[in-house]
Amino acid sequence: SAVISQKPSRDICQRGTSLTIQCQVDSQVTMMFWYRQQPGQSLTLIATANQGSEATYESGFVIDKFPISRPNLTFSTLTVSNMSPEDSSIYLCSAAGHRTDTQYFGPGTRLTVL
Amino acid sequence: AQTVTQSQPEMSVQEAETVTLSCTYDTSESNYYLFWYKQPPSRQMILVIRQEAYKQQNATENRFSVNFQKAAKSFSLKISDSQLGDTAMYFCAFMKHGVYSNSGYALNFGKGTSLLVTP
Repeated sequence: SAVISQKPSRDICQRGTSLTIQCQVDSQVTMMFWYRQQPGQSLTLIATANQGSEATYESGFVIDKFPISRPNLTFSTLTVSNMSPEDSSIYLCSAAGHRTDTQYFGPGTRLTVL
Repeated sequence: AQTVTQSQPEMSVQEAETVTLSCTYDTSESNYYLFWYKQPPSRQMILVIRQEAYKQQNATENRFSVNFQKAAKSFSLKISDSQLGDTAMYFCAFMKHGVYSNSGYALNFGKGTSLLVTP
């Protein structure tokens, strides 16, 4: 299984600002994903981060709000843009390696927007 | 669209006892994967067990086992000899199998069951 780290682990931000979350995997992986977990809720997939091309977004999520980069096979970033209190959530990165049917998760980033 | 239902928001079990968490799902797919993830207070999502739908044999991982009933679309998790460290939120998740496409590898999660193991 892959070991995944995220930075920052938590942050408190002001309305209207942006935050970039980093996800680092200890080995090359095929797929990387970003999920959102709103307070007391389950996880929802935001997008699939594609290496060398634009991310694939799920219904309800757009690139202008959640730009994603994946410059190589071990690293990805998610930016939460123009934040509002409704963006307060835990954001989790996951990765799937050669065995693409199993995803492993990072520790998450707890974001609070005031 | 696939839906995953966990009908038990909260459960409690005494240490060393056995507990079963239920999960049902709805899909028209014939080939897919099912997972149980554990999320302790540290919020790290930890894979507990996975099941491939084409396999009839129930998956087991040490104290964790599943009862997979494909026709009934049921996928329950049994935890034997419960330990205090098993206290966590448990999520059942579904992923369809096949050629990559938008949402092709998306994990669809249930709302979770909060399990408390008491001394």
